[in-house]
Amino acid sequence: DQQVKQNSPSLSVQEGRISILNCDYTNSMFDYFLWYKKYPAEGPTFLISISSIKDKNEDGRFTVFLNKSAKHLSLHIVPSQPGDSAVYFCAASEGQNFVFGPGTRLSVLP
Amino acid sequence: DTAVSQTPKYLVTQMGNDKSIKCEQNLGHDTMYWYKQDSKKFLKIMFSYNNKELIINETVPNRFSPKSPDKAHLNLHINSLELGDSAVYFCASSQDGFGGYTFGSGTRLTVV
Repeated sequence: DQQVKQNSPSLSVQEGRISILNCDYTNSMFDYFLWYKKYPAEGPTFLISISSIKDKNEDGRFTVFLNKSAKHLSLHIVPSQPGDSAVYFCAASEGQNFVFGPGTRLSVLP
Repeated sequence: DTAVSQTPKYLVTQMGNDKSIKCEQNLGHDTMYWYKQDSKKFLKIMFSYNNKELIINETVPNRFSPKSPDKAHLNLHINSLELGDSAVYFCASSQDGFGGYTFGSGTRLTVV
């Protein structure tokens, strides 16, 4: 049973437009959520995170939204750039236990 | 059935010891990985194997040696453990390296 789901395996967006990556979770005990970005042949790099006590966190072009009642979080990238093309992982933690989603491959088209 | 399973989940050991962490995946994926998560929750890739062949070997101490007896297993052996090796280690697998990753639940290693 997947506790963290990213139901879109891939997403294509035009350069300059908004990219929205979605993540759903089932465990209401998760208290911290993270997004990682991964280029081919490299490890995931931490992008942005949000605590369960917040509903929004912004860092430059990246914003993460958390809807606890829906057990849903999303990552918004505005404006999208070709360099944003990568696989994005959503992760959730309860204390020191982490669960990762399967990833969504984002392609930003010039 | 757990898709990517790591054992043990917790490991406490003394400095200087040699230990192994095992990883097995039953997804039929061709590629497996080991990551180390640091205190800031960053995931650093250590090794990647594709069909039992090493394809990524980042700058890690040579005390760390991966072993892949078959494409469903990627074990991590650590010699002469040091305090700085304390971290959570994640195993993962993917079919083509571009998506559809499955992570194990992590192994928390504590060196005392």
